[in-house]
Amino acid sequence: QVQLVQSGAEVKKPGASVKVSCKASGYTFTGYYVHWVRQAPGQGLEWMGWIIPNSGGTNYAQKFQGWVTMTRDTSISTAYMELSRLRSDDTAVYYCAREDLAVRGARHYYYGMDVWGQGTTVTVSS
Amino acid sequence: SYELTQPPSVSVSPGQTASITCSGDKLGDKYACWYQQKPGQSPMLVIYQDNKRPSGIPERFSGSNSGNTATLTISGTQAMDEADYYCQAWDSSTVVFGGGTKLTVL
Repeated sequence: QVQLVQSGAEVKKPGASVKVSCKASGYTFTGYYVHWVRQAPGQGLEWMGWIIPNSGGTNYAQKFQGWVTMTRDTSISTAYMELSRLRSDDTAVYYCAREDLAVRGARHYYYGMDVWGQGTTVTVSS
Repeated sequence: SYELTQPPSVSVSPGQTASITCSGDKLGDKYACWYQQKPGQSPMLVIYQDNKRPSGIPERFSGSNSGNTATLTISGTQAMDEADYYCQAWDSSTVVFGGGTKLTVL
């Protein structure tokens, strides 16, 4: 079945980096955008950025520019999100999600994030 | 930067209709999506392109989007619909989520 399986929970010290993986199966990995979204404890969803697996093109939320790096390895259908210089307020559940997009003429058609990973808990604590 | 505003909470009685709004500048010119999230679970897409339901989403979920407001409507609300709901839209090449609405069925 179509699924995204993320790597396991991480505990990091302030100032360290974390790299979370998201392995796709059941569909053509290069045919969909992959978004990264995080959720701090008791808070809402925060979009971090997307990667186009086909080209490797990325776009990051302004808040995360210079601080997050999204990559992919198409040979193993896996996307990665690396966040550096971690602080305690980066403690959150990090999700990957796929989205289909189509461009017809001047119009973009977005199909929503229809498959989500199970989430990876990242705890930043000294 | 673009912002989407949702009410923090909405309450509804079982069997009644719940409406959750999402406001943003000229939101009607964009596509709105809605996600349902239950405690300890990943979000789930319930509406995309303003009013389309993914397969497996019950017909009681519907959406609309016009002017500055998108609305998620749940008809005949059931206890299982109690959850947090988030709207989402694309603005240029970035994605924006609303702050979320906690739907209580009581």
